[in-house]
Amino acid sequence: KQEVTQIPAALSVPEGENLVLNCSFTDSAIYNLQWFRQDPGKGLTSLLLIQSSQREQTSGRLNASLDKSSGRSTLYIAASQPGDSATYLCAVRPGAQKLVFGQGTRLTINP
Amino acid sequence: EAQVTQNPRYLITVTGKKLTVTCSQNMNHEYMSWYRQDPGLGLRQIYYSMNVEVTDKGDVPEGYKVSRKEKRNFPLILESPSPNQTSLYFCASSFGRGSTDTQYFGPGTRLTVL
Repeated sequence: KQEVTQIPAALSVPEGENLVLNCSFTDSAIYNLQWFRQDPGKGLTSLLLIQSSQREQTSGRLNASLDKSSGRSTLYIAASQPGDSATYLCAVRPGAQKLVFGQGTRLTINP
Repeated sequence: EAQVTQNPRYLITVTGKKLTVTCSQNMNHEYMSWYRQDPGLGLRQIYYSMNVEVTDKGDVPEGYKVSRKEKRNFPLILESPSPNQTSLYFCASSFGRGSTDTQYFGPGTRLTVL
């Protein structure tokens, strides 16, 4: 059974710092991995999708990497801003049917 | 604007009173699914649909029903809600089932069953 773990559960950093969020999964047989952002009381916004054959994806200040063999992904956020404060969720797609989510990392960027 | 919409956004109801949460997408997506989000348990899939008239159970289907009569709509039905179904519900859709298909989520429905 696929399990996804995100560490740390919460992170607080000053504005301007670069930071890394971690995601690990137990089964390397995945279609893809997606990083989402969730703001309080709101839905999930897709940030990046990495196919199983890819090693990384970039969008603006965000860079996500995927190492299937070790079951790890990282989300790198450059030059963090207060508007980046949110919960970040990692999800793997083990098959066509669903996503398996981690518990999320609650990120706070302090001005 | 491409989006997934859910209604209602907030609902308080009582045990046993049937309710339906609607989900609609305007992106001509084949794949749709429902998740619930609970503290400490994260997001878990309830039901999914690969296409019109094709639905199947996810990880936590007990107490829920779904239907997919049209491509754009995927309602979630609680025939006899109970307090343990108090949760935040999300509908999601994607174009297909492939490795490149991003899943898009609705804004969520917060349900409280008294």
